[in-house]
Amino acid sequence: GAGVSQSPSNKVTEKGKDVELRCDPISGHTALYWYRQSLGQGLEFLIYFQGNSAPDKSGLPSDRFSAERTGGSVSTLTIQRTQQEDSAVYLCASSPQSGLTYEQYFGPGTRLTVT
Amino acid sequence: DQQVKQNSPSLSVQEGRISILNCDYTNSMFDYFLWYKKYPAEGPTFLISISSIKDKNEDGRFTVFLNKSAKHLSLHIVPSQPGDSAVYFCAASARNSGGSNYKLTFGKGTLLTVNP
Repeated sequence: GAGVSQSPSNKVTEKGKDVELRCDPISGHTALYWYRQSLGQGLEFLIYFQGNSAPDKSGLPSDRFSAERTGGSVSTLTIQRTQQEDSAVYLCASSPQSGLTYEQYFGPGTRLTVT
Repeated sequence: DQQVKQNSPSLSVQEGRISILNCDYTNSMFDYFLWYKKYPAEGPTFLISISSIKDKNEDGRFTVFLNKSAKHLSLHIVPSQPGDSAVYFCAASARNSGGSNYKLTFGKGTLLTVNP
């Protein structure tokens, strides 16, 4: 079946502009995650959605970052007033259910470059 | 404060030999560990995992060993194949108050190159 998809694959934006990154999880997966990978670093947890529960936003680096998940499926990560340090690959992952399986299935990522 | 450390940025081995990738962690609350493989321009792919109640888990050519007292785990690939060339990430999670291990903490990765 189809895996996790993300769009756009690449995004170049000017400093100060807002950007929206989209994630389509695997159908039927109730858990959705956003990570960020800066150059030379590991993956950094940003936010986690599970069903109708309140999301865990503890990894969001600043209030310029926000995320939504509509209808329990598609998610959008929004970065307002982008800064150069926001340049990174943003990865989305989904998993069937939290608590029973911890294996997360990742999308190909969106490479964001802030000029 | 890096809780999961992969101290070798790169590793090069000959085809057919064993590849050993290492990972150290500092958080004693971690109780579930995973290895992911990542090819360029793709997302990480789950490879193998181990719970803290075990010290070894094997899946085909891949074996993960966990040494809780040393807070160390390793991934063994034998025999290594050129297609194994990729970045390997170690990840760990701790059970939260709700009994869930969803939040993964990743290391920086090790680039494995398997030479024909």
